[in-house]
Amino acid sequence: DTGVSQDPRHKITKRGQNVTFRCDPISEHNRLYWYRQTLGQGPEFLTYFQNEAQLEKSRLLSDRFSAERPKGSFSTLEIQRTEQGDSAMYLCASSLGFGTGGGNTIYFGEGSWLTVV
Amino acid sequence: AQKVTQAQTEISVVEKEDVTLDCVYETRDTTYYLFWYKQPPSGELVFLIRRNSFDEQNEISGRYSWNFQKSTSSFNFTITASQVVDSAVYFCALIYAGGTSYGKLTFGQGTILTVHP
Repeated sequence: DTGVSQDPRHKITKRGQNVTFRCDPISEHNRLYWYRQTLGQGPEFLTYFQNEAQLEKSRLLSDRFSAERPKGSFSTLEIQRTEQGDSAMYLCASSLGFGTGGGNTIYFGEGSWLTVV
Repeated sequence: AQKVTQAQTEISVVEKEDVTLDCVYETRDTTYYLFWYKQPPSGELVFLIRRNSFDEQNEISGRYSWNFQKSTSSFNFTITASQVVDSAVYFCALIYAGGTSYGKLTFGQGTILTVHP
């Protein structure tokens, strides 16, 4: 399977605990994105990377959230001191750089469901 | 600011009926891309189509067709002869194709399509 993969697919955690999600993009894609989706809503942009550089962060990304993409390959999204409001699906996506042939399509993974109890 | 509106929250049809999902967008940008994604119960966002703002040509792919009208800022999606497997949530999305905001897809609220046998 050469699509975007995310791990874990499901995570249940107690309030106050830290959680980390991992995303492996499509191998030749230099752009990687994180989105969050709550029930009944469309996905909302959190942040994106071009190679290892984090180029944009949404206001939704509070200080408890941190994303990294070491060496421009896989990425991790960590949520510290989780709150019940963090319960959502966290979607990772990847693409080639815009402007390159076929690079304008953003492909999503299956998402990581987080439930904070 | 960009905005995508999918006025139909839920649509229910019987198999073999044709169904059109509406999408209206707002943007001040002249260069942008529009997308449709399908989200089955598994959660993955499946890419269906990308259209850039300079290409108003309609497109047909099997039972799927898309009608892009810049004059009315609409990008509607029609499924012909619907099937039960078409049941999913469908999202319309918009992205600015200039500057640095390449990662920020703006999604609509989604339309839940249920196709009954």
